[in-house]
Amino acid sequence: AQKITQTQPGMFVQEKEAVTLDCTYDTSDPSYGLFWYKQPSSGEMIFLIYQGSYDQQNATEGRYSLNFQKARKSANLVISASQLGDSAMYFCAMREGSGGGNKLTFGTGTQLKVEL
Amino acid sequence: GAVVSQHPSWVICKSGTSVKIECRSLDFQATTMFWYRQFPKQSLMLMATSNEGSKATYEQGVEKDKFLINHASLTLSTLTVTSAHPEDSSFYICSASSEAGGRNEQFFGPGTRLTVL
Repeated sequence: AQKITQTQPGMFVQEKEAVTLDCTYDTSDPSYGLFWYKQPSSGEMIFLIYQGSYDQQNATEGRYSLNFQKARKSANLVISASQLGDSAMYFCAMREGSGGGNKLTFGTGTQLKVEL
Repeated sequence: GAVVSQHPSWVICKSGTSVKIECRSLDFQATTMFWYRQFPKQSLMLMATSNEGSKATYEQGVEKDKFLINHASLTLSTLTVTSAHPEDSSFYICSASSEAGGRNEQFFGPGTRLTVL
């Protein structure tokens, strides 16, 4: 079974609109972390937001928020007020356990295109 | 803070030659570094986990004799692609983990694009 599932290979959104990128995960470890990264065409991986499994509140970082529904094992990324510069590939990732040496498992990604 | 560099950013080599890629954590000590491979329009695939002073742990299906990883210090890990062939052409990304801030976050390098002719 896939540990991280992103079901949207591509998404379009109009500038200034909000968009939700879906991510579901599968783990039996009670301690885990969920990450979202943005990868523009240059290839660099840009960290966007983090949610720990024990965090009570949904994470927010500027225009990014994470809709964490633990019982449903979903961690959707919401981007508000989309900008043209948001056009990129977005990856959801999970780290099982709490150690920094624990590996990340990535989803297949969602290509987001922001249109005028 | 938490900057990771990679060198070179791109490399073109002939089939049969070896290529070394360096990954450095510039402003923090990284006990663990990770090496990923990414094909066009695909996700990142973990190749190996590298801990300072010990042998790397390779993921299933990754040839350890072909992809040599050395983590000689807390700020440097190297990936050597030995006897490279065209199918090894890919985007290679490293990351280094830091336990600062409680997130145990991985910080990624800018990647190295390898083309084998």
